[in-house]
Amino acid sequence: SQKIEQNSEALNIQEGKTATLTCNYTNYSPAYLQWYRQDPGRGPVFLLLIRENEKEKRKERLKVTFDTTLKQSLFHITASQPADSATYLCALDRGYGQNFVFGPGTRLSVLP
Amino acid sequence: DGGITQSPKYLFRKEGQNVTLSCEQNLNHDAMYWYRQDPGQGLRLIYYSQIVNDFQKGDIAEGYSVSREKKESFPLTVTSAQKNPTAFYLCASTQGGIYGYTFGSGTRLTVV
Repeated sequence: SQKIEQNSEALNIQEGKTATLTCNYTNYSPAYLQWYRQDPGRGPVFLLLIRENEKEKRKERLKVTFDTTLKQSLFHITASQPADSATYLCALDRGYGQNFVFGPGTRLSVLP
Repeated sequence: DGGITQSPKYLFRKEGQNVTLSCEQNLNHDAMYWYRQDPGQGLRLIYYSQIVNDFQKGDIAEGYSVSREKKESFPLTVTSAQKNPTAFYLCASTQGGIYGYTFGSGTRLTVV
């Protein structure tokens, strides 16, 4: 069956460290993978998209990798801050760059 | 500012009652989506529409209905046939999945 898994339900790290979140999928062949941030009681906010032919994408303190062989994406936040505390969702397309399906999310807490 | 407006923010439904959730966007996006979010689960796709007067069922369409009479509007009706409607409902739009989805702030529906 098709499945998207994110490494853990919750992740706690110290301020200043690098947070690494994992998104694994089975029985999908996405051309695109997205990452979103969601704060409690709010809608997700789009952060980054990476294409299947891109190994890595960066945006400020964020870095995303995409390994289609391992069927895995890694999302890194460097020099993490308490303001980075949120739930992070990965999403991948089911074809033609439309109709994305979302993972369950990882709740990140950055401790001062 | 452009964006997506969902209303109401909170909605209470009695057993056997139909309720309609509003979603309006002024981003000139063609595609619009409805997702349902339950605790510990990812966003699950209810319905989506890629052009006016056309829409498709998502993964959990049973007990829901939609219309798309205008580009800006994509209301969702939760019917009495939906047996477990208590959830957080999110509307999204996009000009193309590679640009990311823009989400509304959500409607929290509770059955009383």
